[in-house]
Amino acid sequence: EPEVTQTPSHQVTQMGQEVILRCVPISNHLYFYWYRQILGQKVEFLVSFYNNEISEKSEIFDDQFSVERPDGSNFTLKIRSTKLEDSAMYFCASSFWSGGANIQYFGAGTRLSVL
Amino acid sequence: DQQVKQNSPSLSVQEGRISILNCDYTNSMFDYFLWYKKYPAEGPTFLISISSIKDKNEDGRFTVFLNKSAKHLSLHIVPSQPGDSAVYFCVVGGGSQGNLIFGKGTKLSVKP
Repeated sequence: EPEVTQTPSHQVTQMGQEVILRCVPISNHLYFYWYRQILGQKVEFLVSFYNNEISEKSEIFDDQFSVERPDGSNFTLKIRSTKLEDSAMYFCASSFWSGGANIQYFGAGTRLSVL
Repeated sequence: DQQVKQNSPSLSVQEGRISILNCDYTNSMFDYFLWYKKYPAEGPTFLISISSIKDKNEDGRFTVFLNKSAKHLSLHIVPSQPGDSAVYFCVVGGGSQGNLIFGKGTKLSVKP
């Protein structure tokens, strides 16, 4: 069964460093998303990506964040200068949305620890 | 800003009995509602959905009920099995770009 793959599973970084979180969405999906979950809190939407551009972003997704689909398979989230409060579980999701409920398929997540 | 509320952080049920997970939402414009479950060290997994124009959807042991006037939905699992032990998220959608809004989740424990 196709699945969304995220790497690495755990990333440790120093405050101020850049990190890139990687995702391989399901191959025939058209919509791509990043969410995050800070420990003990809700899963929060960060950004959606469709047709090679950002279609929507939340208030969390400020200038420190960027997304890219560099080739036909990868979808990346870059945090330019990490802060302590960026420590969270980051989930990538994808969907083939043609109307009705947008059922998104999630990866297992990347745990980001900023020290 | 809690658009989706799951007021019970945890629920414990005996194997074979019914599990009822509840959810309230604030915005009557949501188009559809979903339930996801999550095991530790895994991402959320889609379970079942319901359109805002329906009041019930059933899939095997899982049934979701929607009460639009009360802005309330519930997930029934019957019979509950130990493998159902997970965190269940009530999720709503309907924005033009399809992003999902999650509740805080309810941790279900099904005891043998």
